[in-house]
Amino acid sequence: KAGVTQTPRYLIKTRGQQVTLSCSPISGHRSVSWYQQTPGQGLQFLFEYFSETQRNKGNFPGRFSGRQFSNSRSEMNVSTLELGDSALYLCASSLGGELFFGEGSRLTVL
Amino acid sequence: DAKTTQPPSMDCAEGRAANLPCNHSTISGNEYVYWYRQIHSQGPQYIIHGLKNNETNEMASLIITEDRKSSTLILPHATLRDTAVYYCIVRVGTGTASKLTFGTGTRLQVTL
Repeated sequence: KAGVTQTPRYLIKTRGQQVTLSCSPISGHRSVSWYQQTPGQGLQFLFEYFSETQRNKGNFPGRFSGRQFSNSRSEMNVSTLELGDSALYLCASSLGGELFFGEGSRLTVL
Repeated sequence: DAKTTQPPSMDCAEGRAANLPCNHSTISGNEYVYWYRQIHSQGPQYIIHGLKNNETNEMASLIITEDRKSSTLILPHATLRDTAVYYCIVRVGTGTASKLTFGTGTRLQVTL
């Protein structure tokens, strides 16, 4: 069966812009979580959605937001981009046990 | 979720067993130990998980100490393709999800 799909894979934005990233989970998975990975901070949890509700949230400013649709697809949005937001953004879906990760969306902020 | 501690890096010769340790001294009774690995710039890949008993699958073995305060991931015959960052995490297992702390992991370098 198809894995977790993230789009776009690569994107370049400038400071002050906003960006929306998309994640399609594995069919049947209702939990979707998002992570930010940077060389300095490693993998950091952003938030988790389950059945269209945010269930957990990490320690990120309000510029980072997300949502989940009725088909379990999820989007995350970052507004007013800063240079430090350059990172690999990873999405994972789960049935409650192991996480299945997508390949990520690599965001570069100039 | 409990915090984990792993050595930052390890080397292993190809064909030999790679033993990757992890400390999780504050683990709770209902928390599982999970292992993932991340090959450069790809998404992390699930390897194995366990609660109390040792576990084995086609990729690796997981040895959990009796007091559950530490564990070891064993790759029985490491290959160059096993070069990756390995993450040990603990989390509440099934039914609910909880925010995960991956830590910095162990960078395993498999050499000829």
